[in-house]
Order: sequence, then structure tokens, then C-alpha cells
Amino acid sequence: AQSVTQPDIHITVSEGASLELRCNYSYGATPYLFWYVQSPGQGLQLLLKYFSGDTLVQGIKGFEAEFKRSQSSFNLRKPSVHWSDAAEYFCAVGLRGNNRKLIWGLGTSLAVNP
Amino acid sequence: KAGVTQTPRYLIKTRGQQVTLSCSPISGHRSVSWYQQTPGQGLQFLFEYFSETQRNKGNFPGRFSGRQFSNSRSEMNVSTLELGDSALYLCASSLDREPEQFFGPGTRLTVL
Repeated sequence: AQSVTQPDIHITVSEGASLELRCNYSYGATPYLFWYVQSPGQGLQLLLKYFSGDTLVQGIKGFEAEFKRSQSSFNLRKPSVHWSDAAEYFCAVGLRGNNRKLIWGLGTSLAVNP
Repeated sequence: KAGVTQTPRYLIKTRGQQVTLSCSPISGHRSVSWYQQTPGQGLQFLFEYFSETQRNKGNFPGRFSGRQFSNSRSEMNVSTLELGDSALYLCASSLDREPEQFFGPGTRLTVL
């Protein structure tokens, strides 16, 4: 069965520090890969996505992610974190074909110290 | 272009009641998916509708149902509410042939 693992439940970083959030998936083929962010009481906003091609993808708010097929990973990075980045981050995989079902990790809660 | 809208934003019900949630997708999007988000289980896929037909379904009991109208608006219904149905229900829409989904703000359902 397909699954997504986000090993870090909670991460605290200082403002201006770099950030890496980990995501590993289990799926027989290369799925669609997504990172979403959720602020308290809000819906989900798409940060970036990988469908095919260049394995380093750029997203909004200065985020990037790298797809590594050999490690079944899609880690999210940001070189310098801002206090406004404090939120919950979710990694999700989508199945290829005529299927919109997304399988989600349990999320990583990011706190930013001033 | 307006985003995905969901109504109501908040809802309080008691056990045994039923509830209907509404979702209006982004204009031109014909696929609407529903997700349940709880602290314990995270985000779980409920179902997807496309052109008024349920195209995919998650592992939820039959008390959870949905439908889609000709204008792509969708509703989901939960009958015989249980305490465990308390959750944030999120709706997402997408273009046909595009896997990217856009989410609404959600409906927070509390079952007492």
C-alpha cells in the first residue's frame, strides 16, 4: 500500500536559519509529489509540486524541494526561514492516472524562534 | 479568479444528527475531492467527483456520501453523526488531466 512518512513531527529553528523537512514515500512507481502548508485554522496552500523532469523544483515563498528516486524522498528546503513560515507542512503523493486521491504524511509542525 | 469556497465554515451538531457541507470549486474545475482532517488520523481522502459522477472513493463508511451538480458544485453528507466525525473537512478542486489540487478553507465540524 502507498504511504508517506514525515519523520519529524515538530521542528524548531531560529529565524534566518536554513530548513529541511523530510518526506519519504512508498509507491511502486514515481508518483506526483506535493508539499502543502497549513496555517492555524486555514486550508492547505500548495508550496510546490513535482510531476516529471528536473528533480529540483522551485516553489512559492522561497521554498524548493528535491526529488531523489533512489531514496524515495522529496525533501523540502529553505535557505533562510522567516517568522511567518511557522505553520504545519504536509507532504503528499498523488497516484498517476485518472485519480485525484492524495496520500498524506502526518505533517511537520514548524516553530520559528525570533 | 475566486478560490475554492466552502460553507459553512463552522458547524456544531449532536450525535445522531446528519449534516451537509457545501463546496464551490474554482471556475472551470470539474473535479472536486473531499478530505477529512483529524489530529489523530491526519488527512484522509473521502471521495472525488467528476462530471457529477463519483470517480474515486476512500475507506469511509456508507454514512459519508456526496454528490456533484451540473455546475460542479459539490456537497457531502454525513448521516447519523458520531463523536469521531468531529474534524476539519476540506474540499479541493482541480482541472481535468491536472493532478494539482486547490483547497478551500475547510468546514470545522464539531459533534457533541
